[in-house]
Amino acid sequence: AQTVTQSQPEMSVQEAETVTLSCTYDTSENNYYLFWYKQPPSRQMILVIRQEAYKQQNATENRFSVNFQKAAKSFSLKISDSQLGDTAMYFCAFMKPPTQGAQKLVFGQGTRLTINP
Amino acid sequence: DGGITQSPKYLFRKEGQNVTLSCEQNLNHDAMYWYRQDPGQGLRLIYYSQIVNDFQKGDIAEGYSVSREKKESFPLTVTSAQKNPTAFYLCASSIGARVYNEQFFGPGTRLTVL
Repeated sequence: AQTVTQSQPEMSVQEAETVTLSCTYDTSENNYYLFWYKQPPSRQMILVIRQEAYKQQNATENRFSVNFQKAAKSFSLKISDSQLGDTAMYFCAFMKPPTQGAQKLVFGQGTRLTINP
Repeated sequence: DGGITQSPKYLFRKEGQNVTLSCEQNLNHDAMYWYRQDPGQGLRLIYYSQIVNDFQKGDIAEGYSVSREKKESFPLTVTSAQKNPTAFYLCASSIGARVYNEQFFGPGTRLTVL
């Protein structure tokens, strides 16, 4: 079974700083997807960024980028120029490629990120 | 607007009672999912359905039941057999094809057992 571990329960940075959230995972699969989800105080889950394991290039979405180290099974999220609206719980998640239509996500425990003014 | 709705937002139940959480989507998605979220833990999969009239157990299905009679609806029943039902419940859906498609989440239902 796959497991996802986020070792930082809480983090806090000043606005405009850069912050990196860590995630490690365990799998015997060679092809899979990795995700970072954001859950603000409203508790709505929002997809931040996605990485396909077969792609060597790290994914980027505006101020959000990842450092994907497949051999080390590490998948960290970097938030540049952090904003107050980035304050949220961040979840790392793993998924095997869907074979029959359903996509089962396995989530880490989450990191509570606070951006201070 | 297309999306996923969950009702009610807050739900209170007495011990020993069954309760049903509603999840409706108008995205025309084939696949739907139920997750449970506890403090200090990530989401855990309860049940999922790939198509109407079909569903499978997830990682923590004990004490829960589901039905999928319509494509747009996937209600979750929390039975009295669920030992610790107080949690935040999230419903999600995806296109359901054999290639990756984004999974969209509803706003959630907070269930409290009194």
